[in-house]
Amino acid sequence: AQKVTQAQTEISVVEKEDVTLDCVYETRDTTYYLFWYKQPPSGELVFLIRRNSFDEQNEISGRYSWNFQKSTSSFNFTITASQVVDSAVYFCALSEAGSNDYKLSFGAGTTVTVRA
Amino acid sequence: DTGVSQNPRHKITKRGQNVTFRCDPISEHNRLYWYRQTLGQGPEFLTYFQNEAQLEKSRLLSDRFSAERPKGSFSTLEIQRTEQGDSAMYLCASSLPVDTQYFGPGTRLTVL
Repeated sequence: AQKVTQAQTEISVVEKEDVTLDCVYETRDTTYYLFWYKQPPSGELVFLIRRNSFDEQNEISGRYSWNFQKSTSSFNFTITASQVVDSAVYFCALSEAGSNDYKLSFGAGTTVTVRA
Repeated sequence: DTGVSQNPRHKITKRGQNVTFRCDPISEHNRLYWYRQTLGQGPEFLTYFQNEAQLEKSRLLSDRFSAERPKGSFSTLEIQRTEQGDSAMYLCASSLPVDTQYFGPGTRLTVL
């Protein structure tokens, strides 16, 4: 069963527009961790944020912000005032404490294209 | 502080050949993970090590795949008798226990 669903395959915006990426997850664990990674054309996965299941505080880091809602099992990511350098594939991922391996289950990714 | 490194970055091989990839984790990280990513998909877990012990293998890891981490530092992933379906990006990540995984740049394998 798919544990992480990113319903948006591709999003295209013009520079300076805001873009929100959706992520819905599924788990039976009470302790789990959610992540966002960025994969630019070079291919390397770059870590952006990690949240644990007990911390529902939203977070802002520069132009990036994250909205974690356990009630809807969602962990959405917003880029404010997008820039061309934000063009990449963005992955949401889940790791579960119950298995003790903490392996990551990734969504299929959302390709963001920011046009100048 | 160096990140995770992987070699080679690209590998082109003919079907039936054996290939080996290397991953050097962040030095103080005792957990090392291998993932495979095919075009248009998210990475999928293959296997992981805690120190030198291989603790879990995915069903994706067929008998042709073997991974080692002999001294608890670098790791190798070998694919024997490669098939075209093995063409993918192979990603390595390292972490401390219960902590964020940091990824290397990956090895892109093309099997002709």
